[in-house]
Parts: sequence; structure tokens; C-alpha cells
Amino acid sequence: AQSVTQLGSHVSVSEGALVLLRCNYSSSVPPYLFWYVQYPNQGLQLLLKYTSAATLVKGINGFEAEFKKSETSFHLTKPSAHMSDAAEYFCAVRHRAQKLVFGQGTRLTINP
Amino acid sequence: KAGVTQTPRYLIKTRGQQVTLSCSPISGHRSVSWYQQTPGQGLQFLFEYFSETQRNKGNFPGRFSGRQFSNSRSEMNVSTLELGDSALYLCASSLLRAGEETQYFGPGTRLLVL
Repeated sequence: AQSVTQLGSHVSVSEGALVLLRCNYSSSVPPYLFWYVQYPNQGLQLLLKYTSAATLVKGINGFEAEFKKSETSFHLTKPSAHMSDAAEYFCAVRHRAQKLVFGQGTRLTINP
Repeated sequence: KAGVTQTPRYLIKTRGQQVTLSCSPISGHRSVSWYQQTPGQGLQFLFEYFSETQRNKGNFPGRFSGRQFSNSRSEMNVSTLELGDSALYLCASSLLRAGEETQYFGPGTRLLVL
């Protein structure tokens, strides 16, 4: 069965600092991987996705993620944090024709 | 292109009542999935519909049901509401074709059960 683990339920960084949100997946076959962001009182917005093309994936708002099969990881990064990045971030995995499975989420706080 | 829409956005019910939530997918999307989000359990998959047929189902009791119409719009129903059903219910739509599994989410319906 597929599963997702997000390391750290809460991450705090200073404005302008590197953002690193960790995601590891468990899967017996190459999956589709996604990062979503959720702002307060809103639904989930797609940040980026990995669908077996390039291993380094660029998304919206300056975020990117690298698929590392050997480490079963799909960590999300952004070189310089902005106050508007404060939100909850979810990593998710899906295999073809199966349900989307989410991690528990990481709440990102940006300190001025 | 319009995004996924969900109605109503907010709902207050009392225990024992039933509720119906509606979701309109992105135009051209034939797959609709439903999720329940709570602080304690996170995002949990309820069910997925494609071309009016339920394709996948999560581990929820039979009080939770859904359906999809020929225009791909979907409804989910919860009967005999319990306090623990208070949650944000999210709907997502997808093209669901080979190589395109991305789900796009609506703003959600926040249900409060008193």
C-alpha cells in the first residue's frame, strides 16, 4: 500500500531563508507525486507535480521539488521565503487509477 | 476555465439530521473525488466517481454516500449526522486519463454538527 510521511508537522523559517519541507513516500511502483498548499479557510492549491518526466520539478510561487527514487523522497524547496508562503503544505502520492494519499501536512511559519 | 465549485460553503446541522453537499467539476473533467479534512485525522479519502460509477472507496461508514450525474456533477450525502462529522469536505476533479492524474480541488464545504 502506498503511504506518505512528511517530516515535521511545523516548520518555522525567517523571511528570506531557505524553505525545505520533507516528504518520503512508500510505493512498490513509480508513483505520481504532488505538493499542494492550503491557505486558511481555503481548499488545496496544486503547487507542483511529478509524473515521471524530469526529476526536478518547478512549480508556482518559486517552489521546486526533486524526485529521488533511491531515497524515495520528494522534498519541496524554495530559495527565499516570503511572508505570503505561510500556509499548510501537503505531499500526496497516487498510482494510476488509485486514490490520492496525503501526508499529515506541514505548517510553515515565516518569521519577519 | 472555471475551477471546481462546491455548494454550500458553510453549513450548520444538528445531530441526527442528514446533509447533501454538491460539487461541480472543471469543465471536461469526468472524475470527482471527495475528501474529509479534520484537525485530528487530516485529509481522508471518501470516494471517487468516474462516468457515474464509483471507482474507489475509502474507509467510511455507510452513512456516507455519493453519486455522480451524467454532466459529471457530484453530490455526497451524510445521513444521521454525528458530532464527529464536523469537518471541511473537499471535492476534487480530474481528467483521469493516461499520464494525467492531477486532482484540482474546490474551496470546500465546512460542516458544523451541533
